[in-house]
Amino acid sequence: DAGVTQSPTHLIKTRGQQVTLRCSPKSGHDTVSWYQQALGQGPQFIFQYYEEEERQRGNFPDRFSGHQFPNYSSELNVNALLLGDSALYLCASSLGVGNEQFFGPGTRLTVL
Amino acid sequence: QKEVEQNSGPLSVPEGAIASLNCTYSDRGSQSFFWYRQYSGKSPELIMFIYSNGDKEDGRFTAQLNKASQYVSLLIRDSQPSDSATYLCAVIKAAGNKLTFGGGTRVLVKP
Repeated sequence: DAGVTQSPTHLIKTRGQQVTLRCSPKSGHDTVSWYQQALGQGPQFIFQYYEEEERQRGNFPDRFSGHQFPNYSSELNVNALLLGDSALYLCASSLGVGNEQFFGPGTRLTVL
Repeated sequence: QKEVEQNSGPLSVPEGAIASLNCTYSDRGSQSFFWYRQYSGKSPELIMFIYSNGDKEDGRFTAQLNKASQYVSLLIRDSQPSDSATYLCAVIKAAGNKLTFGGGTRVLVKP
């Protein structure tokens, strides 16, 4: 039973560039949430996708956007990268709303 | 006031002892409570969840919830060096499914 997978593992970008991160949910799960975790802090909620729609959004600017595909996989896009966007980006999947969320291994983004 | 608060630690515990971690939350409407373990450089791993007042035990872990006091705790019995990690408390409020995390408590189990 495959768990949550994310790609790429690591990514280095420069300021102003754009990045796309990918996530495949755990088998049987239909809801994907994205979180940003800065060093030494707890994860911060970015947004959540269910039935291919953004259902909830955290306090992140419009530079952060996403998508969910019919197979429940998801992408996170970040435009106009800033140094402060350097963080571990985590994808979590769950079955429906309000249930336990399981995290993927994360993508470490470094913005130079 | 932060929505979810944890003591950052480090909490130093002798091997074999009980580690006690605490978490408080501000939204009285919070409904679901989770404990995640995160090793350095890794992603959070779900170890416990609790929805109702009282205790819930799973192996060496016990979660305790007191909604009246807006308090949730995690006990780790017979602590092992492999338990050394950061423990994240997270809550889900009544409206929505997003996890709101505390800053985490770093636990060090010394042989």
